[in-house]
Amino acid sequence: GENVEQHPSTLSVQEGDSAVIKCTYSDSASNYFPWYKQELGKRPQLIIDIRSNVGEKKDQRIAVTLNKTAKHFSLHITETQPEDSAVYFCAAIDGGSYIPTFGRGTSLIVHP
Amino acid sequence: DSGVTQTPKHLITATGQRVTLRCSPRSGDLSVYWYQQSLDQGLQFLIQYYNGEERAKGNILERFSAQQFPDLHSELNLSSLELGDSALYFCASSARQDTSTDTQYFGPGTRLTVL
Repeated sequence: GENVEQHPSTLSVQEGDSAVIKCTYSDSASNYFPWYKQELGKRPQLIIDIRSNVGEKKDQRIAVTLNKTAKHFSLHITETQPEDSAVYFCAAIDGGSYIPTFGRGTSLIVHP
Repeated sequence: DSGVTQTPKHLITATGQRVTLRCSPRSGDLSVYWYQQSLDQGLQFLIQYYNGEERAKGNILERFSAQQFPDLHSELNLSSLELGDSALYFCASSARQDTSTDTQYFGPGTRLTVL
C-alpha cells in the first residue's frame, strides 16, 4: 500500500518568515495530493490540493509543488502569521483504490 | 461550519463495550468517509460509503463496522472496545465517490475515551 512520509514533525518560524513542509509518497498510482490544516481541537480543513497533471498551484500565501518523478510534494507558506499556527497534514490518494493515506503531520508554530 | 454533523461530541465508555457514532453529511453529498485520529497513529482512513454502498476500505478493524442509510446518514459501530480504541473519530463527506477529484468536508469529530 501507499506510504507517506512528512517532514519536519515540528516547524518553528518567526512571523513573516516562510515555511516549507515536505511529503514523499511511495505509490506511483497516487494522483491527488491534498493538504489539510488542523487547529487544536478542531476538524481538518482543506487548504490547497494538487493533481498529478500539475506541477505547482498557488493560492495567495500558500503554494504546493509536486515532483512526480521523485514522488514528493511540498507545501509553501509565505509571510507567515500567528494564525497560521496549526498542524498541517499532507495526503496522497490512489486514483485506483480511492484510499487516502496521510502523513503524520507537521506542527507549525509562528512566533509573533 | 462544514455542514457535516457528528454525534455525540464526546463518549466515555469501558473496555468490552459497544458504541455507535453517527454522521450526517452535507446536504447533497453522497459519500461519507470515516477516519480515526490518535496520537500514535495519526489520521487513518477507515472506510468510505457512497450512496449506501461500501466504496473503499482502509485500516478498519473487524471489530468495527459501518453503514450508510437511505437518508445518507452513516453510523460507525465499534465493539469489544479496547483502551487503544480511544481516539478522535472524524466523519467527512463529499459530493461524489472519487476521492481523487472530490473535496472532503470534515465534521467536528467524536472523541471516544475507553476506560
